[in-house]
Amino acid sequence: QKEVEQNSGPLSVPEGAIASLNCTYSDRGSQSFFWYRQYSGKSPELIMFIYSNGDKEDGRFTAQLNKASQYVSLLIRDSQPSDSATYLCAVRNPRAASKLTFGTGTRLQVTL
Amino acid sequence: DVKVTQSSRYLVKRTGEKVFLECVQDMDHENMFWYRQDPGLGLRLIYFSYDVKMKEKGDIPEGYSVSREKKERFSLILESASTNQTSMYLCASTGTAEKLFFGSGTQLSVL
Repeated sequence: QKEVEQNSGPLSVPEGAIASLNCTYSDRGSQSFFWYRQYSGKSPELIMFIYSNGDKEDGRFTAQLNKASQYVSLLIRDSQPSDSATYLCAVRNPRAASKLTFGTGTRLQVTL
Repeated sequence: DVKVTQSSRYLVKRTGEKVFLECVQDMDHENMFWYRQDPGLGLRLIYFSYDVKMKEKGDIPEGYSVSREKKERFSLILESASTNQTSMYLCASTGTAEKLFFGSGTQLSVL
């Protein structure tokens, strides 16, 4: 079982719709979760992090965490073509605080 | 503006060569990382360092070594490059582990 799993996609959504990106993790002791966005040919950049169960909102982005189900998701409201990118889920190792394990990423395509 | 600089954007080397990838950050961060990114495999941690002269193995350290003689510089060394080390290499740094700052990457081709 992979430590962090994501569907590779592509996930295709029309402009203005809600994009839902999902991630599961295997280590039940994990406490910190991150979403990075990576445009083609560019480096990843942090969008959001979440530590507590429930939702965390930042503009059009909402991160959702369910530790009991070992599930974290990212919702993007009012999707724009500029949101087209690969979204990487990352989980902090509970035994090595500075170490992040990344999923393989989900490619999102927002169509006009 | 924060900056993580990788010395080369593209690099072509021959099998068996010793390869040095350099990374410099200007944010006085304690933690620095080397990842490689391959299609379908995502970002995989090779080595990381949480202080000068300190290093820890990541998930795929075989065939690599690192050096951190100064806080701002973290070098990745391929002792004897092999074709399966052809990849995009990304350096990152962080002060708090809340946010990784990535360099622009080095696309290494080993022929």
